[in-house]
Amino acid sequence: ETGVTQSPTHLIKTRGQQVTLRCSSQSGHNTVSWYQQALGQGPQFIFQYYREEENGRGNFPPRFSGLQFPNYSSELNVNALELDDSALYLCASSKYPGQGAYEQYFGPGTRLTVT
Amino acid sequence: GENVEQHPSTLSVQEGDSAVIKCTYSDSASNYFPWYKQELGKGPQLIIDIRSNVGEKKDQRIAVTLNKTAKHFSLHITETQPEDSAVYFCAASNGSGAGSYQLTFGKGTKLSVIP
Repeated sequence: ETGVTQSPTHLIKTRGQQVTLRCSSQSGHNTVSWYQQALGQGPQFIFQYYREEENGRGNFPPRFSGLQFPNYSSELNVNALELDDSALYLCASSKYPGQGAYEQYFGPGTRLTVT
Repeated sequence: GENVEQHPSTLSVQEGDSAVIKCTYSDSASNYFPWYKQELGKGPQLIIDIRSNVGEKKDQRIAVTLNKTAKHFSLHITETQPEDSAVYFCAASNGSGAGSYQLTFGKGTKLSVIP
């Protein structure tokens, strides 16, 4: 069974730039959620993708957007980067519907630094 | 929205002793409560979870209890070992459809097991 993978591992960007982060879901999973984890904090929900559509969004501005592809992999795009966007970005996959929809398995994350 | 409070923020125990981490939640509609372990440089790892129709669940040295009336749940680790040292997060979810399985996390507890 292949776990959740994310790329790149680390990324350094300049304020105002745009960034794309990538996630491959665990085999057999069809739903992908993205979370932002600031240093010393718990992860915060950004949004969830199912059937290539955004289903559910946390308190994040529209410059955070995403995509899900037919193979269930996903991208997180952030435009007009701000210093406060520096964080660990986590992707989690799950299987909807059914009881497995609750269980989210996380990837190792992408560490984004905005200077 | 849901709010999850977690205590303590740091916990040091001697190897072999027990560790208890407590969380409270605010949304009575929440029905799923997972616990994650996050080691340095890694993504959160699901270690145990409990659903709202169950009061207690045990898996070897770890157990979780849930009190729905009081809206709190706890993680118990017995016979702690140095490899249990990590940051532990509690979370809550009120899943009821695609996109609604977002997790709201506590701020984490840094557990140190002293050999």
